[in-house]
Amino acid sequence: LAKTTQPISMDSYEGQEVNITCSHNNIATNDYITWYQQFPSQGPRFIIQGYKTKVTNEVASLFIPADRKSSTLSLPRVSLSDTAVYYCLVGGTGGFKTIFGAGTRLFVKA
Amino acid sequence: NAGVTQTPKFRVLKTGQSMTLLCAQDMNHEYMYWYRQDPGMGLRLIHYSVGEGTTAKGEVPDGYNVSRLKKQNFLLGLESAAPSQTSVYFCASSFPTGGTDTQYFGPGTRLTVL
Repeated sequence: LAKTTQPISMDSYEGQEVNITCSHNNIATNDYITWYQQFPSQGPRFIIQGYKTKVTNEVASLFIPADRKSSTLSLPRVSLSDTAVYYCLVGGTGGFKTIFGAGTRLFVKA
Repeated sequence: NAGVTQTPKFRVLKTGQSMTLLCAQDMNHEYMYWYRQDPGMGLRLIHYSVGEGTTAKGEVPDGYNVSRLKKQNFLLGLESAAPSQTSVYFCASSFPTGGTDTQYFGPGTRLTVL
């Protein structure tokens, strides 16, 4: 199982772009990179997933360099409601092939 | 479409008591999971199932048992609760496609063992 390393916490202000980088040196050839968001007292929620290069959806962008040993979640113009814990997971089919680390606590200030 | 639901939402047990947590999903997902989350920490996988009638151990299975008699339900049992099992329990389900899958989580069950 590939382990990931993320910053423990980050602070930002409303309207700024936030980039959270995840290191996953032992990523396997068939592994995907998935990011989840968790608000207090709720279960995690899927944000974005990718295999290589760049993926963008209505919520975020995911940047993956060619060597795939890291990835960066980019949240454009954050708001107070983006305050949450963000988890980076690396693995293949099945949640039993991935590990939830401690995540990154993002605090957005007014 | 309710997604993933968990019953109960809160429970307080005394040491040694038993209980069963119920997880139900209406998305026809093959895979289901039980996690626990302790304060300030990430989720740890307790048990999982890749299909009806099958279960397997995850990272922290001791003290728990599971059953998946129906595809849509995944039960987590505590036979003799201990204070160390005080935690928030999350159930999730997923459907594998194209080499990966996305987990859908329930709202959680907050369990306190006195």
